[in-house]
Amino acid sequence: GENVEQHPSTLSVQEGDSAVIKCTYSDSASNYFPWYKQELGKRPQLIIDIRSNVGEKKDQRIAVTLNKTAKHFSLHITETQPEDSAVYFCAAGLSYIPTFGRGTSLIVHP
Amino acid sequence: KAGVTQTPRYLIKTRGQQVTLSCSPISGHRSVSWYQQTPGQGLQFLFEYFSETQRNKGNFPGRFSGRQFSNSRSEMNVSTLELGDSALYLCASSSGGNRGTGELFFGEGSRLTVL
Repeated sequence: GENVEQHPSTLSVQEGDSAVIKCTYSDSASNYFPWYKQELGKRPQLIIDIRSNVGEKKDQRIAVTLNKTAKHFSLHITETQPEDSAVYFCAAGLSYIPTFGRGTSLIVHP
Repeated sequence: KAGVTQTPRYLIKTRGQQVTLSCSPISGHRSVSWYQQTPGQGLQFLFEYFSETQRNKGNFPGRFSGRQFSNSRSEMNVSTLELGDSALYLCASSSGGNRGTGELFFGEGSRLTVL
């Protein structure tokens, strides 16, 4: 089955800095790569996703890049704000059930 | 449109007992999946149901089971509880109408503590 590795497990940045979270996956057949954000005590919510026919996707301050050859994808957050503090999960999959990484705790210091 | 609803939100059980958790998906969603969340382990997939059939299953022991009813509501059961079963159990629904992927809408979870 699919195996997703996510790094780093914890990321601490100053407000206004950029943050990058990286994930690798094992199954070359995977074609869907969503990212979920889970604020403390709340449910995970989809923030952006990308499909394998696209190399990069942006939505305001967040962007995701995908390198299918190397089997890795990344989440980029620019101009970080305190409200970006949360746990971020990457996921990869072929079917309707993606496999999740272990999460990255992002802390944005004011 | 109402979101995904999970009950109960919190529960405490002792080792050896069993527990049943309930999930009501978003209206019109036919796929319900269950995840176990523990610190440092991320979201571990338990199983997924679509139209009352288990369509996919994760690597959990047989003590973990589930079912889905004709109205798409789903239940999961854990028998012979162990201390390690303490976790947040999340349910997620999606349209799941085909084998393409789609957004998962999560409930707030049921936090199980096993003493």
